[in-house]
Amino acid sequence: AQKITQTQPGMFVQEKEAVTLDCTYDTSDQSYGLFWYKQPSSGEMIFLIYQGSYDEQNATEGRYSLNFQKARKSANLVISASQLGDSAMYFCAMREGLRAGGTSYGKLTFGQGTILTVHP
Amino acid sequence: NAGVTQTPKFRILKIGQSMTLQCTQDMNHNYMYWYRQDPGMGLKLIYYSVGAGITDKGEVPNGYNVSRSTTEDFPLRLELAAPSQTSVYFCASSYMRAGHTIYFGEGSWLTVV
Repeated sequence: AQKITQTQPGMFVQEKEAVTLDCTYDTSDQSYGLFWYKQPSSGEMIFLIYQGSYDEQNATEGRYSLNFQKARKSANLVISASQLGDSAMYFCAMREGLRAGGTSYGKLTFGQGTILTVHP
Repeated sequence: NAGVTQTPKFRILKIGQSMTLQCTQDMNHNYMYWYRQDPGMGLKLIYYSVGAGITDKGEVPNGYNVSRSTTEDFPLRLELAAPSQTSVYFCASSYMRAGHTIYFGEGSWLTVV
């Protein structure tokens, strides 16, 4: 079973507009963490934002926010005021079993990715 | 600030050859990971380690082996290279704490011909 699902292979957005990238996950662990990474064409992995399963508030980092809906097991990334430099591949990832004894102790799994293109 | 260092950056292997991708981190992280990324695809977990002497399989372990004799090093061994192992390989590391940033190496481009 897919642990992390990103259903949007590609997304287009106009510069300065907001865009939401979808991510759903599947885990039986109670303690887990969700990450979003950006991968530009140069290939490096750039950390954007983190949400813990017990965090009560949605995470925000500058123009990035994470819309965390625990009951629906979704962790969508919202990018506000898109910029041309935001054009890249975006990955959602989940780390399970954050407490010792979890069944997937420390495993970090990535989704398939979404290619975001920002138009001027 | 070295962070996570992977070597080599580029390598061409012939079918049936073996090689080791090196990964070293200088942040005293206990978690380390190896991923492969095929063109236009996501990262697939090959092996991971939660500390020296402890390793476990990920989603795509076949054809690979790892060891973790020290906290710093997590080499990935390819035995009998096959064209299907042509990919970009990423090593990553982090602390065993919720929310701690996961640091990635720059990637190793491997082609098997």
